[in-house]
Amino acid sequence: GNSVTQMEGPVTLSEEAFLTINCTYTATGYPSLFWYVQYPGEGLQLLLKATKADDKGSNKGFEATYRKETTSFHLEKGSVQVSDSAVYFCALSVTRGYSTLTFGKGTMLLVSP
Amino acid sequence: DAGVIQSPRHEVTEMGQEVTLRCKPISGHDYLFWYRQTMMRGLELLIYFNNNVPIDDSGMPEDRFSAKMPNASFSTLKIQPSEPRDSAVYFCASSQTGGGRTDTQYFGPGTRLTVL
Repeated sequence: GNSVTQMEGPVTLSEEAFLTINCTYTATGYPSLFWYVQYPGEGLQLLLKATKADDKGSNKGFEATYRKETTSFHLEKGSVQVSDSAVYFCALSVTRGYSTLTFGKGTMLLVSP
Repeated sequence: DAGVIQSPRHEVTEMGQEVTLRCKPISGHDYLFWYRQTMMRGLELLIYFNNNVPIDDSGMPEDRFSAKMPNASFSTLKIQPSEPRDSAVYFCASSQTGGGRTDTQYFGPGTRLTVL
């Protein structure tokens, strides 16, 4: 089946630190990969996505590269801000004639000034 | 674009009462999803619709839960009777699939349900 494994949180960083949140996956088929972000009290928002191997998704200073050989899609940011504090979800979808996402459990990021 | 709209944003009810959650997807989207989020179980897909037709309801926890989509712009999730363990945040999401690939799901702000 399909599954996503994320590093457990919370991840606690100081402002301007480098961020990595690990994500690995297993999939039956060729998946598209996503990172969603959930700010406190809000719904999930798409942060970035990649649809084929070696693609790099990027948005708001965050990046993730689709690594088929290691089945990974790690999220990185060079310098985090307090406003980046949120829960980050890695997810995948596999084309099978229908449209569903498989989410990881989420990783909470706390950034202090 | 108004995004996905959910109502109510907060609901507090007593055990045994019927609860109805509402969702208006983004216009033109052909998929609608209902999720439940709790600290213990994370984000769970309950049911999803394609073109107003339920496709997979295997995530619906019990017969107490039911969902309908009478038209392309409205869906409901009903719990009858409600129990304290149903307390969670319920999200609705919609997407527009093109070319056979999953596209981005757009989430509503959620309904926080508390069953006393």
